[in-house]
Amino acid sequence: NAGVTQTPKFRVLKTGQSMTLLCAQDMNHEYMYWYRQDPGMGLRLIHYSVGEGTTAKGEVPDGYNVSRLKKQNFLLGLESAAPSQTSVYFCASSFPGTGGYTFGSGTRLTVV
Amino acid sequence: AQSVAQPEDQVNVAEGNPLTVKCTYSVSGNPYLFWYVQYPNRGLQFLLKYITGDNLVKGSYGFEAEFNKSQTSFHLKKPSALVSDSALYFCAVLLNNFNKFYFGSGTKLNVKP
Repeated sequence: NAGVTQTPKFRVLKTGQSMTLLCAQDMNHEYMYWYRQDPGMGLRLIHYSVGEGTTAKGEVPDGYNVSRLKKQNFLLGLESAAPSQTSVYFCASSFPGTGGYTFGSGTRLTVV
Repeated sequence: AQSVAQPEDQVNVAEGNPLTVKCTYSVSGNPYLFWYVQYPNRGLQFLLKYITGDNLVKGSYGFEAEFNKSQTSFHLKKPSALVSDSALYFCAVLLNNFNKFYFGSGTKLNVKP
């Protein structure tokens, strides 16, 4: 069982470059989320989606865009990377109302 | 504003001793409360949750947590710590809209042999 798969696992970007992080889940979950994890700050919600074709902003959405064209995939885009976006990014998914998230293993992004 | 506090950045415990990782919250309404554990270079794994009912909740790997409504706390406990319990622990609150969690800043648990 794959669960939630994130690609890539590691990436180094130069300031101003763009990239897309892919999250794929095979559990038929309705809800999907993107979080960033920074030391001493826990996980902060960037964007989330409650269904195919819908997205919403979380706590820290600036500098990121997302798309949910297919139910199983949730893409996080950085149009112009900044050093402040150096972080570990986690994707998660869940069914509505259960509160039980399944997390991916993370993407470690460094912007130089 | 909704918030979750884990007042200790790090907790050090000797193997075999009881452990407590603290969590307090400040949210409106009746939240659902969770504990997750993160091992190095891994995603978060679910440990336990409180929805309603008995204030003492038992979860994975021998962990339990006690919900205290008057103190707005949800401390994680284990009677006898193992070295393999060493990890980063996150408390989280899920509000009634079920859409998103609020996470604490995390507590690093170090269990020494």
